[in-house]
Amino acid sequence: GAVVSQHPSWVICKSGTSVKIECRSLDFQATTMFWYRQFPKQSLMLMATSNEGSKATYEQGVEKDKFLINHASLTLSTLTVTSAHPEDSSFYICSARPQGNIQYFGAGTRLSVL
Amino acid sequence: LAKTTQPISMDSYEGQEVNITCSHNNIATNDYITWYQQFPSQGPRFIIQGYKTKVTNEVASLFIPADRKSSTLSLPRVSLSDTAVYYCLVGDMSTGGFKTIFGAGTRLFVKA
Repeated sequence: GAVVSQHPSWVICKSGTSVKIECRSLDFQATTMFWYRQFPKQSLMLMATSNEGSKATYEQGVEKDKFLINHASLTLSTLTVTSAHPEDSSFYICSARPQGNIQYFGAGTRLSVL
Repeated sequence: LAKTTQPISMDSYEGQEVNITCSHNNIATNDYITWYQQFPSQGPRFIIQGYKTKVTNEVASLFIPADRKSSTLSLPRVSLSDTAVYYCLVGDMSTGGFKTIFGAGTRLFVKA
């Protein structure tokens, strides 16, 4: 199957700093990528749809100025958590779909804000 | 988007067959049924996908009745490593703007 790579897998940062998470499709081009957030023992919550060459589409309740998404190429989308606070600590997961009906997910990024 | 309903949790023993049923009464004509597996602190992993009748691959089988209002994921002879959360997703993912919305999933716990 297709491979989606996510980096870093784990990051610890101080409150007030910004953190960038990368999501790459390694063996296919992705005009659309998705970003999810998952809290412990809960399901994945869709945050935004990342569109190559255009603005991301955010789900209701997700602050676009807080979670900056840049989809600069057909294989790379980045999520920047700006001015991170402890409540932003979570597991962030990206995904992408090659042509067809199957979605592939990255391994996730554990963000801990101190 | 078709809403899905799954059992919150299931227990099983090693070597048993496990069947997890997902209800999706509002499934649309173009929708596919896809199952994912997620281990703690990992992204979901694709297991199997089907449209109707039965699909089988090296890890699971998917049974879909004629009315497509439900589906059953069958895991043959589970092992401890099959302990995970299983998500049933329904939709037409071939549409570029389709958004995958996850339900609560089924937490499977396999005991020795």
